[in-house]
Amino acid sequence: KQEVTQIPAALSVPEGENLVLNCSFTDSAIYNLQWFRQDPGKGLTSLLLIQSSQREQTSGRLNASLDKSSGRSTLYIAASQPGDSATYLCVTGTASKLTFGTGTRLQVTL
Amino acid sequence: DARVTQTPRHKVTEMGQEVTMRCQPILGHNTVFWYRQTMMQGLELLAYFRNRAPLDDSGMPKDRFSAEMPDATLATLKIQPSEPRDSAVYFCASGLNIYGYTFGSGTRLTVV
Repeated sequence: KQEVTQIPAALSVPEGENLVLNCSFTDSAIYNLQWFRQDPGKGLTSLLLIQSSQREQTSGRLNASLDKSSGRSTLYIAASQPGDSATYLCVTGTASKLTFGTGTRLQVTL
Repeated sequence: DARVTQTPRHKVTEMGQEVTMRCQPILGHNTVFWYRQTMMQGLELLAYFRNRAPLDDSGMPKDRFSAEMPDATLATLKIQPSEPRDSAVYFCASGLNIYGYTFGSGTRLTVV
């Protein structure tokens, strides 16, 4: 059974800092790994998708890496902004199942 | 951008009433999931469809919940009769194999 763990569970940083969110998973037989953000009371917004054959993806200030052999992914956020405050979810996908990480609640302060 | 559309966005109903939630997946996506999110349980899988066929509904209370895909453009989740413990946000997600999944904005259900 796939288990996805995210560290840290919560993080508070001042605006402008670069930060790294960590995700680890127990079963490397995945199709892909997605990073989502969820704002309070809102749905899940896909940030980055890394297919199993890829090592990383970049979008703007976000960069995500995937190391299937070690069961790890990281989400790097450069020059953080208050608008980045949200819960970030790492999600592994197979043909028939999505497994959600435990989440990291990020607060970026002025 | 293509999006998954869920209706209604909010629903308040009395205990015992029937509730129907609808989802329009992205055109061309062959996989649809229904999830429920609560503060206590997080995201729970309720049902999963591939090419409109239900493949996994083991997470769904069978006595009161039912999920269907009458056609490729519509997935429905029904609760009959509804109970206060069903209060949650219900999400639909659609995807295509390895290309990841897109979530709808959810239906916030309150059963009083």
